[in-house]
Amino acid sequence: DVKVTQSSRYLVKRTGEKVFLECVQDMDHENMFWYRQDPGLGLRLIYFSYDVKMKEKGDIPEGYSVSREKKERFSLILESASTNQTSMYLCASSSPVFLRADEQFFGPGTRLTVL
Amino acid sequence: TQLLEQSPQFLSIQEGENLTVYCNSSSVFSSLQWYRQEPGEGPVLLVTVVTGGEVKKLKRLTFQFGDARKDSSLHITAAQPGDTGLYLCAGATQGGSEKLVFGKGTKLTVNP
Repeated sequence: DVKVTQSSRYLVKRTGEKVFLECVQDMDHENMFWYRQDPGLGLRLIYFSYDVKMKEKGDIPEGYSVSREKKERFSLILESASTNQTSMYLCASSSPVFLRADEQFFGPGTRLTVL
Repeated sequence: TQLLEQSPQFLSIQEGENLTVYCNSSSVFSSLQWYRQEPGEGPVLLVTVVTGGEVKKLKRLTFQFGDARKDSSLHITAAQPGDTGLYLCAGATQGGSEKLVFGKGTKLTVNP
């Protein structure tokens, strides 16, 4: 089974802090994604990576950056956290090689609160 | 911007009842997925439909892709409390596309 893990289930940070959210997948998937999920707004794509060191902006990249130095790891960085970044953050992976590229496997999520 | 509209947004029913959740768009999708998400967890893929008019069954769940590939439905027969969760539809806009458009979800509660 595909396993996608996220470094923290719950995180509380202060405004202005630099925040790192880590995601690791164990199935050699090429694609990795970061979403945020907010009530009434659904899942919104922040960034997407289709290969090591490659990244593409999603629908709401402002205030975020990403890093993918190794195939299995995709990090989301909040350079200076703000209260409007309080949300549930979900990481996902998919593989156009082994599976259908459109079938994504999600981690358990990180609920981030910025005070 | 391609959108997927899900309805209803909330649904609360008694155990044993049947229900249908709808996912509609004005855009054509090459495939459509349904996910279920439990509180505090990430979404889990239930099914992918790819052909217009396709029907797939997963135990008591029946998924249908519209003939024009713009809409889909999820029907649950004899709902059980274990079916409680957030149901999300997601569409791929191009063949083999990695990026998905998600609906906002239907929150289903099945009361014992």
